[in-house]
Amino acid sequence: EIVLTQSPGTLSLSPGERATLSCRASQSISSTYLGWYQQKPGQAPRLLIYGASSRATGIPDRFSGSGSGTDFTLTISRLESEDFAVYYCQQYGYSPMYTFGQGTKLEIK
Amino acid sequence: EVQLVESGGGLVQPGGSLRLSCAASGFTFSRSWIHWFRQAPGKGPVWVSRINTDGSDTSYADSVKGRFTISRDNAKNTLYLQMNSLGAEDTAVYYCAGRIAVAGGFDSWGQGTLVTVSS
Repeated sequence: EIVLTQSPGTLSLSPGERATLSCRASQSISSTYLGWYQQKPGQAPRLLIYGASSRATGIPDRFSGSGSGTDFTLTISRLESEDFAVYYCQQYGYSPMYTFGQGTKLEIK
Repeated sequence: EVQLVESGGGLVQPGGSLRLSCAASGFTFSRSWIHWFRQAPGKGPVWVSRINTDGSDTSYADSVKGRFTISRDNAKNTLYLQMNSLGAEDTAVYYCAGRIAVAGGFDSWGQGTLVTVSS
């Protein structure tokens, strides 16, 4: 089973700042199969990035993804108030387990 | 507009059963693989099960194998999850999700239905 470890657990930043979230896989995975999600309280996860770097439909260009092998990054260039949420990375290429990381909570400083 | 709407959650006693439904609209349901995920309170999402387009191929997480059964009715555009022998560890919000308009990940999710297993 592939384990995804996200860091930091909590990130405290102010609107307008840049956020960098990390996701490390326990073994090398194809970037094709790495995604990032945003989740707000009481809502379902929302796909932001798939294939490590492709934005899903309707996702603002301040969200970007990068990385390969075991290390992946989600960057939010300039935080807006609606971006404060929990973020998860997910690998979806290694059936049957489509595992998620434990999440990074992005909170307002 | 793509929509997935779960129903059937509720309070059930340990050892009991429940059947969840997921009604789909706004896309060609019969051409889509669909998954169930669950999320326990304060935890991240966890994959539960998936089914292929005609229901002939299913897969389950080890934690539910032998207790849960995924199925679909393409004529009704509906996905199901039959859950038996429920335990406290199955308490979670259950989501159906699919890959509808993207080349990876899961871009369409329902709003979730809460299953609580408690006496």
